[in-house]
Amino acid sequence: AQKVTQAQTEISVVEKEDVTLDCVYETRDTTYYLFWYKQPPSGELVFLIRRNSFDEQNEISGRYSWNFQKSTSSFNFTITASQVVDSAVYFCALTPNQAGTALIFGKGTTLSVSS
Amino acid sequence: EPEVTQTPSHQVTQMGQEVILRCVPISNHLYFYWYRQILGQKVEFLVSFYNNEISEKSEIFDDQFSVERPDGSNFTLKIRSTKLEDSAMYFCASIADTNTEAFFGQGTRLTVV
Repeated sequence: AQKVTQAQTEISVVEKEDVTLDCVYETRDTTYYLFWYKQPPSGELVFLIRRNSFDEQNEISGRYSWNFQKSTSSFNFTITASQVVDSAVYFCALTPNQAGTALIFGKGTTLSVSS
Repeated sequence: EPEVTQTPSHQVTQMGQEVILRCVPISNHLYFYWYRQILGQKVEFLVSFYNNEISEKSEIFDDQFSVERPDGSNFTLKIRSTKLEDSAMYFCASIADTNTEAFFGQGTRLTVV
């Protein structure tokens, strides 16, 4: 069975703090893809990153970084020097490597950044 | 930049009424999806569509739901007889190829009263 767990329901930080959002997944597939999406208060889902199971290199994009650890089935997301605009719900998602298979989402982590 | 377009952005309907939610996926994409998000909860898969037929559906997607791609550009989700528990944000998504990132529309907020 496929499952994504985001144990942190809500996180509150003050601007400029670093924050890490945890994501743990379960799958029996050897090849799969992991994603992070951002859902700001306006409600849309914004794609942040896709990572395939064979690529364990960490990725950095500006203030965002991702740490993929296959050994612990985790794909954590860190925001450095958080800003108020980072306030949103963040979803981690998983899909096996089969044509067109749907995304399995975690329950999301609500991040609130105050000034 | 190409985007997935959904209409309407918000729909209010009475219980028992039929609703049709509309989506225009990105033109060269091959796979199309509907997802649902009940307020404050996670995004749940409803159905996927490929090559003019349903390729996968979840337990949520029962006989009250149907999808159609009537004219090669639109992708619709119909709920035949809405229930209060159908109130949710409905997202359409499309992907170009296997396991590329899904592009989501802005969503349609359905409120059943």
